[in-house]
Amino acid sequence: GQQVMQIPQYQHVQEGEDFTTYCNSSTTLSNIQWYKQRPGGHPVFLIQLVKSGEVKKQKRLTFQFGEAKKNSSLHITATQTTDVGTYFCAGGAGSYQLTFGKGTKLSVIP
Amino acid sequence: GAGVSQSPSNKVTEKGKDVELRCDPISGHTALYWYRQSLGQGLEFLIYFQGNSAPDKSGLPSDRFSAERTGGSVSTLTIQRTQQEDSAVYLCASSSTGARGQPQHFGDGTRLSIL
Repeated sequence: GQQVMQIPQYQHVQEGEDFTTYCNSSTTLSNIQWYKQRPGGHPVFLIQLVKSGEVKKQKRLTFQFGEAKKNSSLHITATQTTDVGTYFCAGGAGSYQLTFGKGTKLSVIP
Repeated sequence: GAGVSQSPSNKVTEKGKDVELRCDPISGHTALYWYRQSLGQGLEFLIYFQGNSAPDKSGLPSDRFSAERTGGSVSTLTIQRTQQEDSAVYLCASSSTGARGQPQHFGDGTRLSIL
């Protein structure tokens, strides 16, 4: 079945440093979504990418979808303490079902 | 309510007991999903409901797990004869339709602890 791998599992950064998490799928995806889960909270939808090579920005967050639609990345510029949480990618393969990665847990040291 | 509501928020029970977890999706959302999240892990798909269609039960880990959705709204996930490995956070999500690309809106989950 479809597998979605995410690296790194954990990342500790100093406030102001950049952060990137990578997502790789074993199969070609039709779409990829990103979610953020704050400590003690539930996953919250951030964005969806559907086109090959697509890049979307949300303030300090930049999301990319690979040309082959098998990988994606989330980059945060100049992290802040409010960025703390676990970031999940979730890949879709043409149906309603999403396969979630295990997430990258981001800690920001003030 | 404005969001997905789950109850109870916490459930502690003894091994071998049955438990029922409830999910009330966002009003008007036709698609409903159940996931399981073990400590430090990702989200494991359990079951999907879409309108009046037969549910996709492909993610249920054993026949001790079952779920129903009455009237296309509230859903109940039942775990019979609970085992310690069932301990996890059970998350429910809904989306406006089951179509590809619809964002999923999650509830706060039920934290299940099996003693």
